[in-house]
Amino acid sequence: SAVISQKPSRDICQRGTSLTIQCQVDSQVTMMFWYRQQPGQSLTLIATANQGSEATYESGFVIDKFPISRPNLTFSTLTVSNMSPEDSSIYLCSVASQGTEAFFGQGTRLTVV
Amino acid sequence: TQLLEQSPQFLSIQEGENLTVYCNSSSVFSSLQWYRQEPGEGPVLLVTVVTGGEVKKLKRLTFQFGDARKDSSLHITAAQPGDTGLYLCAGVRTSGSRLTFGEGTQLTVNP
Repeated sequence: SAVISQKPSRDICQRGTSLTIQCQVDSQVTMMFWYRQQPGQSLTLIATANQGSEATYESGFVIDKFPISRPNLTFSTLTVSNMSPEDSSIYLCSVASQGTEAFFGQGTRLTVV
Repeated sequence: TQLLEQSPQFLSIQEGENLTVYCNSSSVFSSLQWYRQEPGEGPVLLVTVVTGGEVKKLKRLTFQFGDARKDSSLHITAAQPGDTGLYLCAGVRTSGSRLTFGEGTQLTVNP
């Protein structure tokens, strides 16, 4: 298993601004994942963050809007840029154990006003 | 089209009742997992099933993987208010490598 610390846990932001979410893992992992989730709904994968290379983005998500950093094997950040109310959501970071089992941070609840 | 379809999407029951949540697909999965998520927290892994026909028990929770590895079920016996949460199935297809999540089942157990 892995312990994942994510911060901030919640934030209220003005439209047009940017928010950077941090994710710290207690062990070295090859891949980290960033998801978006509407409350009570399923998870949508935003991108896979690989150490030493650019993140791989899923359809519908672009680097300019969601830049990701992965400076080492235990840390990653996701920035939500130029926010609009449509970006209000829960953002989760995750790591995979043995390739499939996922462990999650507690999430960041973002509200854009 | 959702790769993993969960049903029901919402379930509200009284304490002590039994319930079953289903996770179905037309694709074959190398493994399926069930997660529970409580408000303000990330999903927490409950179980992984990897063998067709496999049954795993976790206290009052029974998980089954279909013989063809295309579906799974979660049965809760004598539900308690502490079982309230969002239940998510997830799996990796035999033809892929990405973890795919179902739509989720929001369970509310009323005291």
